[in-house]
Amino acid sequence: KAGVTQTPRYLIKTRGQQVTLSCSPISGHRSVSWYQQTPGQGLQFLFEYFSETQRNKGNFPGRFSGRQFSNSRSEMNVSTLELGDSALYLCASSPTTYTETQYFGPGTRLLVL
Amino acid sequence: ELKVEQNPLFLSMQEGKNYTIYCNYSTTSDRLYWYRQDPGKSLESLFVLLSNGAVKQEGRLMASLDTKARLSTLHITAAVHDLSATYFCAVDGPNAGNMLTFGGGTRLMVKP
Repeated sequence: KAGVTQTPRYLIKTRGQQVTLSCSPISGHRSVSWYQQTPGQGLQFLFEYFSETQRNKGNFPGRFSGRQFSNSRSEMNVSTLELGDSALYLCASSPTTYTETQYFGPGTRLLVL
Repeated sequence: ELKVEQNPLFLSMQEGKNYTIYCNYSTTSDRLYWYRQDPGKSLESLFVLLSNGAVKQEGRLMASLDTKARLSTLHITAAVHDLSATYFCAVDGPNAGNMLTFGGGTRLMVKP
């Protein structure tokens, strides 16, 4: 079974731009969660989508948004990028919305200049 | 507010030695997780602990959970260089669903 895939793997943007990151979960998984990892703040939960509905949202500004498609693929969007948005963005997939194990993808490393 | 604290944040140890990483969390949680992250890589699931007194072992790593003390430990036995990585604990919540709150991580370096 293929694992979680994330595209692109690396991205460089400038302040004020917007960016869209994509995550394809493991086949059959319906829940996708997103996390931001930075040296200063560590790993922080962004949001979870399950069956195309946002299930949970972390404490991030409205510039961070996401969605999930009927095939469970998910995208997250960050508008009006700031330098502090530079981070590793990880998505995790699981079969349902409350499962024992979440499988993490390789991440997208975003650099904002 | 749910907080998860790990200590130590950094651990340098010699091969063959034993050591323990501690994970404290501030509110009741159903499950506790341990993950490993190699530099520049994603998170690899190590253990999921589901109940008070749970103990799980894989190779040189053993994790335990005391829900009354809100404490989990990750014990390393006879460390080898391949265990060098950053280890994170995480708990469910604060909201229901697949929402994890992570500790700050423990960077482990095992020297030959």
